[in-house]
Amino acid sequence: GENVEQHPSTLSVQEGDSAVIKCTYSDSASNYFPWYKQELGKGPQLIIDIRSNVGEKKDQRIAVTLNKTAKHFSLHITETQPEDSAVYFCAAPSSRSSGSARQLTFGSGTQLTVLP
Amino acid sequence: NAGVTQTPKFQVLKTGQSMTLQCAQDMNHNSMYWYRQDPGMGLRLIYYSASEGTTDKGEVPNGYNVSRLNKREFSLRLESAAPSQTSVYFCASSPGVNQPQHFGDGTRLSIL
Repeated sequence: GENVEQHPSTLSVQEGDSAVIKCTYSDSASNYFPWYKQELGKGPQLIIDIRSNVGEKKDQRIAVTLNKTAKHFSLHITETQPEDSAVYFCAAPSSRSSGSARQLTFGSGTQLTVLP
Repeated sequence: NAGVTQTPKFQVLKTGQSMTLQCAQDMNHNSMYWYRQDPGMGLRLIYYSASEGTTDKGEVPNGYNVSRLNKREFSLRLESAAPSQTSVYFCASSPGVNQPQHFGDGTRLSIL
């Protein structure tokens, strides 16, 4: 069945360095790729998303790149700060649900720790 | 503007008990979702409602039922709780399918 693989599961970086998290997907019909940040005790919060008609999108220190041929997309965080420490999830539509419309399947998450 | 509100925040049940988790959104969104989150497994979709009046099974629907009471409210019911349903449950809403989803802060459910 369709799957979303996320790597790495944990990532530690020094404050000011960059962090990169990568996801691969198997459903070639997927066309929407969001990234969520989840802080302890809170629900996931959308931080950036990209649609399949573009290859890159940036929002200040955060960027997402998409390679449809290779079926992978990546989250890039530059100039990391301690408040970037959280769990990050990628997602992509798949047909794992029974309804007619593809629903999001989430990766297993990456615990990012930014060391001061 | 509260966004997505889930009640209760915490609950402990005994095996076999029933319970309804409540979710309401004030963003006039068409679509609503219920997920469960278990350690190391990300979020898995239980049920969703693409629009008012419709519900569909997600990836892990067994043991659950849902009701889309109106456009604002989407409830999740456990008829006979089992220890395997111990999890954190999240409700989300979005304007439509494959649109940004907004999540509540979750219900932490323990079944003994």
